[in-house]
Amino acid sequence: DVKVTQSSRYLVKRTGEKVFLECVQDMDHENMFWYRQDPGLGLRLIYFSYDVKMKEKGDIPEGYSVSREKKERFSLILESASTNQTSMYLCASSFPGLSGGYTFGSGTRLTVV
Amino acid sequence: QKEVEQNSGPLSVPEGAIASLNCTYSDRGSQSFFWYRQYSGKSPELIMFIYSNGDKEDGRFTAQLNKASQYVSLLIRDSQPSDSATYLCAVNNISFQKLVFGTGTRLLVSP
Repeated sequence: DVKVTQSSRYLVKRTGEKVFLECVQDMDHENMFWYRQDPGLGLRLIYFSYDVKMKEKGDIPEGYSVSREKKERFSLILESASTNQTSMYLCASSFPGLSGGYTFGSGTRLTVV
Repeated sequence: QKEVEQNSGPLSVPEGAIASLNCTYSDRGSQSFFWYRQYSGKSPELIMFIYSNGDKEDGRFTAQLNKASQYVSLLIRDSQPSDSATYLCAVNNISFQKLVFGTGTRLLVSP
């Protein structure tokens, strides 16, 4: 019973391409998040959203944008892919509140060549 | 100072022993605390969360919280080789509705 689905497990893109990473959750969560994870650097927050059509920058938003047109879908866009964006990208969702732990998707390993 | 600090490890324990994983946090406004397990190449999965001082037990796992010392720990009893993974501590300040993660502790359980 997969609850947070990321569209691709592995992606290889060329430098300069526009890249779309899709995330869909079926738990009716208000909050959705995009992280990247790199060895030694841990999870770094790119963007997050508390509601449809709203977005907030995380710690490393440069080079990325997001879209949330529907509650269940949160898309990450790499406007012009660069090799330093090669990483594991993780989508997560949660309810707000004390027990608002994240449910993560299975991740997308993106390689930019 | 990092907001959430964990020893990167690896922490090596023999099978059957108790593994103790520690985490400190800097924001006194933090209100709930989470432990995630992440196997290599996989995404994190939630093991436990705690928001009251003291201990919370779930099977072989016990989370311990001491807000005065800004310290949270995870004990794994009867450790198994399948417990070998990276364990992430995460802290929630509900005013911000997002978790802040530590960089994780790698646990190795040897048969």
